[in-house]
Amino acid sequence: DVKVTQSSRYLVKRTGEKVFLECVQDMDHENMFWYRQDPGLGLRLIYFSYDVKMKEKGDIPEGYSVSREKKERFSLILESASTNQTSMYLCASSPGPLRGRVDTQYFGPGTRLTVL
Amino acid sequence: RKEVEQDPGPFNVPEGATVAFNCTYSNSASQSFFWYRQDCRKEPKLLMSVYSSGNEDGRFTAQLNRASQYISLLIRDSKLSDSATYLCVVNINNAGNMLTFGGGTRLMVKP
Repeated sequence: DVKVTQSSRYLVKRTGEKVFLECVQDMDHENMFWYRQDPGLGLRLIYFSYDVKMKEKGDIPEGYSVSREKKERFSLILESASTNQTSMYLCASSPGPLRGRVDTQYFGPGTRLTVL
Repeated sequence: RKEVEQDPGPFNVPEGATVAFNCTYSNSASQSFFWYRQDCRKEPKLLMSVYSSGNEDGRFTAQLNRASQYISLLIRDSKLSDSATYLCVVNINNAGNMLTFGGGTRLMVKP
């Protein structure tokens, strides 16, 4: 069974704080993704990575950065949290390679982040 | 215009009913289509892929209409456990694993 874990289920931070969200997958997947999910807007892709140290911007990368130092771990960083980044953050992984076919994405349980 | 559009619902149906959801997509070059299911406060999970010829998995049938750029999901004999949000997912630019999600359609099956 594929397992994607996220470091926290719930997180409360203050405006201006630096926030780290961690995601780990245990299936040796090539691709990893960070989404945010908001009511009425669905899931929106923030960043993705198809290899260690590789990253690509998704649809809404502003205010975020990512790090992938190891294949199994993909971190999302909010450099200076703002209230409009209050959201549900979902990490996903898929087998890959990125190009050539479309694989099922397996999601973690999500982190509900509140920025006060 | 959103790239993938769904009626958010909710669709309230009695147990045993048949219910259908549609989803429209904007990019005619899209190649791959999926339905994901998301339970309340849980992560999305793949329900089924949608093939050009249509496909069936038990009580669930998915259809693709390329000419009109929509996909559908039909659920027969609804169960209480079918209550969830159903996400329409499209591989918009056909560049491997990039997926675009619709906003979801919420289904509530009542006894």
